[in-house]
Amino acid sequence: GAVVSQHPSWVICKSGTSVKIECRSLDFQATTMFWYRQFPKQSLMLMATSNEGSKATYEQGVEKDKFLINHASLTLSTLTVTSAHPEDSSFYICSARAGFQPQHFGDGTRLSIL
Amino acid sequence: QQQVKQSPQSLIVQKGGISIINCAYENTAFDYFPWYQQFPGKGPALLIAIRPDVSEKKEGRFTISFNKSAKQFSLHIMDSQPGDSATYFCAAGTSGSARQLTFGSGTQLTVLP
Repeated sequence: GAVVSQHPSWVICKSGTSVKIECRSLDFQATTMFWYRQFPKQSLMLMATSNEGSKATYEQGVEKDKFLINHASLTLSTLTVTSAHPEDSSFYICSARAGFQPQHFGDGTRLSIL
Repeated sequence: QQQVKQSPQSLIVQKGGISIINCAYENTAFDYFPWYQQFPGKGPALLIAIRPDVSEKKEGRFTISFNKSAKQFSLHIMDSQPGDSATYFCAAGTSGSARQLTFGSGTQLTVLP
């Protein structure tokens, strides 16, 4: 149980394009979803927290106009990296939680901006 | 105040040995301490978690030891296996509707056959 699916797993795109990453909770209703960014050999850095039907809460230093988060249903959250540039290249990971249950993570999306 | 300090950065253990990873925190409001295992190219997977009302929790070969007064907690992997080779992250969080997690810097564990 508690499966979180993230799609795509890997994306390469040109600088200036926008990229959408989906995060789905497959077997539970996620009241809260989190988006993290992870650079090679580094820890997970929380970017934003989103509750279903509410606007996301962004961590300090994360541009909300750059990283658009939508949590329209209890099973789906999306992260859109707008006008992506090479410095946005990273491993993006989502997690989902039902109520006060532990966070369960997706397998991440490796984003490479050329 | 929000940091979680993890050590060592890397660890090499012989098969069958004990792997020990340590974490320390500052924020006394933290009341949830999970450990995650991450393989390359994958997301973290929850291994085991503890709350501050107990000093130790064991699940199979994995044990968390918790010292509330010292604000430290550690992961012990008994009978370490090559398949345990991965990056391990400790984390800390607070109860509440958000319960965001603050992660340690990670420990890359290599178990030699």
